[in-house]
Amino acid sequence: AQSVTQLDSQVPVFEEAPVELRCNYSSSVSVYLFWYVQYPNQGLQLLLKYLSGSTLVESINGFEAEFNKSQTSFHLRKPSVHISDTAEYFCAVSLGSGSARQLTFGSGTQLTVLP
Amino acid sequence: DAEITQSPRHKITETGRQVTLACHQTWNHNNMFWYRQDLGHGLRLIHYSYGVQDTNKGEVSDGYSVSRSNTEDLPLTLESAASSQTSVYFCASSDPQTINNEQFFGPGTRLTVL
Repeated sequence: AQSVTQLDSQVPVFEEAPVELRCNYSSSVSVYLFWYVQYPNQGLQLLLKYLSGSTLVESINGFEAEFNKSQTSFHLRKPSVHISDTAEYFCAVSLGSGSARQLTFGSGTQLTVLP
Repeated sequence: DAEITQSPRHKITETGRQVTLACHQTWNHNNMFWYRQDLGHGLRLIHYSYGVQDTNKGEVSDGYSVSRSNTEDLPLTLESAASSQTSVYFCASSDPQTINNEQFFGPGTRLTVL
């Protein structure tokens, strides 16, 4: 079975500073990797995903994540954060074939951007 | 626009009562999922369905049941609510025909069991 570890439950950072949210997974087979974002009192929204190909994936709002197979990591980074990036971020992994593909989530990282 | 909705958004109930949380999606997705979200645990899978009349247990299914009589709806029932079931519940759906099986989430239902 796969598992996902998000090492930091809370990450406070000042506006315009860089940030890295860490995610490690365990799986003996190939996986798809996702980062979801949850703004206060809302559901989860997909931020970015790694399926195959280039190991560096980007979102439309400046976040990027790099798939590192040897370290089984999928850390999320942003070079300069904004107040509006304050949210909870979840890393997730899926494996399986065809339609039988479920998501396993990490415990989440609360990113708080300070003025 | 297609969407996924949950009702009610907030619910307070008493221990021992039966509670049903509704989930409705207009994406026409075959796959539907129920999760609960608790501090320190992220989202944990309760039940899921890959199509009409198909239901499966997830990681934390004890005390919950689901039924799938059509493509659009997957109601979640708490047979006899317990205080340990106080949580935020999220429904999600996905299209098994897409390569990544991206899941789309509803806004959540906050359930309090007193």
